[in-house]
Amino acid sequence: EPEVTQTPSHQVTQMGQEVILRCVPISNHLYFYWYRQILGQKVEFLVSFYNNEISEKSEIFDDQFSVERPDGSNFTLKIRSTKLEDSAMYFCASSGGTRYNEQFFGPGTRLTVL
Amino acid sequence: RKEVEQDPGPFNVPEGATVAFNCTYSNSASQSFFWYRQDCRKEPKLLMSVYSSGNEDGRFTAQLNRASQYISLLIRDSKLSDSATYLCVVPNTDKLIFGTGTRLQVFP
Repeated sequence: EPEVTQTPSHQVTQMGQEVILRCVPISNHLYFYWYRQILGQKVEFLVSFYNNEISEKSEIFDDQFSVERPDGSNFTLKIRSTKLEDSAMYFCASSGGTRYNEQFFGPGTRLTVL
Repeated sequence: RKEVEQDPGPFNVPEGATVAFNCTYSNSASQSFFWYRQDCRKEPKLLMSVYSSGNEDGRFTAQLNRASQYISLLIRDSKLSDSATYLCVVPNTDKLIFGTGTRLQVFP
């Protein structure tokens, strides 16, 4: 069964550093998303991406965040200058087909900002 | 009313029990609804989709009451492996709005 994959599984960084989180969505999916989950809290939407552009973003997704689909398979989330409060689990998701709003999640990247 | 609201639990039930979780949502325009399952420190996994009044898949039944803006998930004959957090999820345009989840612990 096709799956969303994410790398790395765990990223530790110093405050102020840039990080890039990588995702490979399910191959025939056209809609891509990033969500985050701070420990003990609910899953929160960050951004959706379709047809090579952002279709929607949340208030969390400020100028420090960017997304890119650099080739036909990868989808990345960049945080330019990390803050302590960016520490969270970041999930990539993708959807496609007739039930395009059924989103399938990757295993996540745990980001720890020190 | 919060966008998606759930009882956080925990629900502690013995194997074989039937358990039901409730969820209310605020967006009356929502047309589809989902239950996801999340194990500790893992990703949410799609359990059931609800597009009309309800859906049944084996031991799991989801029901929708649009008038009351209420969704439920019923698990029959609980297994130890059902222990997880169950997330009520409502789409809003492109994004999924997650509830805080209801934790289920099934004991032998």
